[in-house]
Amino acid sequence: NAGVTQTPKFQVLKTGQSMTLQCAQDMNHNSMYWYRQDPGMGLRLIYYSASEGTTDKGEVPNGYNVSRLNKREFSLRLESAAPSQTSVYFCASRLWEGLSNEQFFGPGTRLTVL
Amino acid sequence: EDKVVQSPLSLVVHEGDTVTLNCSYEVTNFRSLLWYKQEKKAPTFLFMLTSSGIEKKSGRLSSILDKKELSSILNITATQTGDSAIYLCVRSGTYKYIFGTGTRLKVLA
Repeated sequence: NAGVTQTPKFQVLKTGQSMTLQCAQDMNHNSMYWYRQDPGMGLRLIYYSASEGTTDKGEVPNGYNVSRLNKREFSLRLESAAPSQTSVYFCASRLWEGLSNEQFFGPGTRLTVL
Repeated sequence: EDKVVQSPLSLVVHEGDTVTLNCSYEVTNFRSLLWYKQEKKAPTFLFMLTSSGIEKKSGRLSSILDKKELSSILNITATQTGDSAIYLCVRSGTYKYIFGTGTRLKVLA
């Protein structure tokens, strides 16, 4: 099992460009999440998908859109990138059923917006 | 505001020392409190705490939740250089997770 995978690992964009970050999990998890991590800020939730077919805003959704393509895949789109979106982006998934509340994280995407 | 506050923000110790990391939160109704370790990449899971007063242990690491004080601590005994990392405290609800800013621990040889 690959767990949670993210592509790309690194990306440099110019202000105003668009891009999509891809995330996939092979653990048959129901819930998926997108976070950004800035220095000294911890992880902040951008969007989440509690189950296939649903998406909801987190703490910092402005400037982003998401698509839960199927149970495995959850993508994050920046329509018009801004320097304030320079960050490390993590995708995570969670089973939801049962007692475990643990999230599993992907390796992250380091995004720089010039 | 629903916050998770960790202290200290950073800590430098020598190998063999014992450290205690603190986490406090504001919401009384939540599903669980989790601790993660983050080295240079993605956070990795350490503990999940749901019941007050029950210590979870894994090797040299242990953690406990105090629901009365709205807090949790993570203890690391006999620290090693491999313990150098950011330790994240996370409060989880039904779907949402609120992360603290983390404690950056550096263990010197």
